[in-house]
Amino acid sequence: GQQLNQSPQSMFIQEGEDVSMNCTSSSIFNTWLWYKQEPGEGPVLLIALYKAGELTSNGRLTAQFGITRKDSFLNISASIPSDVGIYFCAGQETGANSKLTFGKGITLSVRP
Amino acid sequence: KAGVTQTPRYLIKTRGQQVTLSCSPISGHRSVSWYQQTPGQGLQFLFEYFSETQRNKGNFPGRFSGRQFSNSRSEMNVSTLELGDSALYLCASSPKAGPWGAQYFGPGTRLLVL
Repeated sequence: GQQLNQSPQSMFIQEGEDVSMNCTSSSIFNTWLWYKQEPGEGPVLLIALYKAGELTSNGRLTAQFGITRKDSFLNISASIPSDVGIYFCAGQETGANSKLTFGKGITLSVRP
Repeated sequence: KAGVTQTPRYLIKTRGQQVTLSCSPISGHRSVSWYQQTPGQGLQFLFEYFSETQRNKGNFPGRFSGRQFSNSRSEMNVSTLELGDSALYLCASSPKAGPWGAQYFGPGTRLLVL
């Protein structure tokens, strides 16, 4: 089946820095979602993208739906300690019965 | 609006037992999906229910089953538990059936099989 690639597995940044993470797919997707998960909790939806080329912001977070429809990126600006967590991308192919596929996630650490 | 709720939050079972997990979706959401999350495999789709019908199923053995009630609440059942079933089981709801658009997750039920 299709796979989503997120790398690296972990990222370490200094508070105040910007960070960008991307997600690539072997298949064309019609929806890209970005989630954040903190220990002991379920993933929380950060941004949803529905059109190729779409650029959407949510506070300090910005995400884009790649024009090839096979990739997406998430940017966090001016990071703060509470940005720590695991960031997952998820994508869905076209088709009424298509499933949501998740990347393995990137663990973000922010040094104060 | 209240979020997705899952009960219980934690569960310890022994091999061979069965377990039932419950999920209440966001009010007005009719689609409920279940996922298994483990450190090695990440988030893996189990199944999706919409209007009491299973619409989609992942690649899990028949020991994993689910159902949805008329009020959109859902349960999943795992029979004959194995050690490898230890995981965080997540439920997600969406206002409509696939293509879902955004799915909203509950906090999960952490199952430990001894």
